[in-house]
Amino acid sequence: NAGVTQTPKFRVLKTGQSMTLLCAQDMNHEYMYWYRQDPGMGLRLIHYSVGEGTTAKGEVPDGYNVSRLKKQNFLLGLESAAPSQTSVYFCASSRGQGSYEQYFGPGTRLTVT
Amino acid sequence: AQSVTQPDIHITVSEGASLELRCNYSYGATPYLFWYVQSPGQGLQLLLKYFSGDTLVQGIKGFEAEFKRSQSSFNLRKPSVHWSDAAEYFCAVDSDSWGKLQFGAGTQVVVTP
Repeated sequence: NAGVTQTPKFRVLKTGQSMTLLCAQDMNHEYMYWYRQDPGMGLRLIHYSVGEGTTAKGEVPDGYNVSRLKKQNFLLGLESAAPSQTSVYFCASSRGQGSYEQYFGPGTRLTVT
Repeated sequence: AQSVTQPDIHITVSEGASLELRCNYSYGATPYLFWYVQSPGQGLQLLLKYFSGDTLVQGIKGFEAEFKRSQSSFNLRKPSVHWSDAAEYFCAVDSDSWGKLQFGAGTQVVVTP
């Protein structure tokens, strides 16, 4: 039981490049989330999903897209990376409404130059 | 505007001493309240949560938190700190039960011998 895994762990992009971050969970959780963590700002919600095939915007969705084609996977895409997207990205999952513990992945450190 | 405030950015405490971390929130109704801990280079782990009922909640690793409605606070405490408690601590709020957490900026705890 690996819990929540994130791929890759580190990545360096040039401005304008695109990439996809993969989050996978093996706990059969319904809800999944993407956060970004920046110094002095805590974590901020980018997008979330309450089930396979559904996605919704969080607090800071601009510049990101997401997809949840399979229940166990939640992908975060950057179509045209900007230096402001340099951050540590965390994925989390939970069983759903009524069960509120979120289980977090180890994070992906992304640098955009 | 809804907000979560952790007034202390950094706290230094001696091993064996008590620890209290402050958290204040600004929401129209009492939200769901959480404390998470993040060890260096790791994801976040849930310490404890408050939904309703007894205002003193117990968590893992010997932590407890007290909800005070009149002060809109949810402070975290530990009677005797261990060196392994050195980490960053985040207070978080879910205002609508969908798990869309809003985090405080975090408090870095340093434990000295």
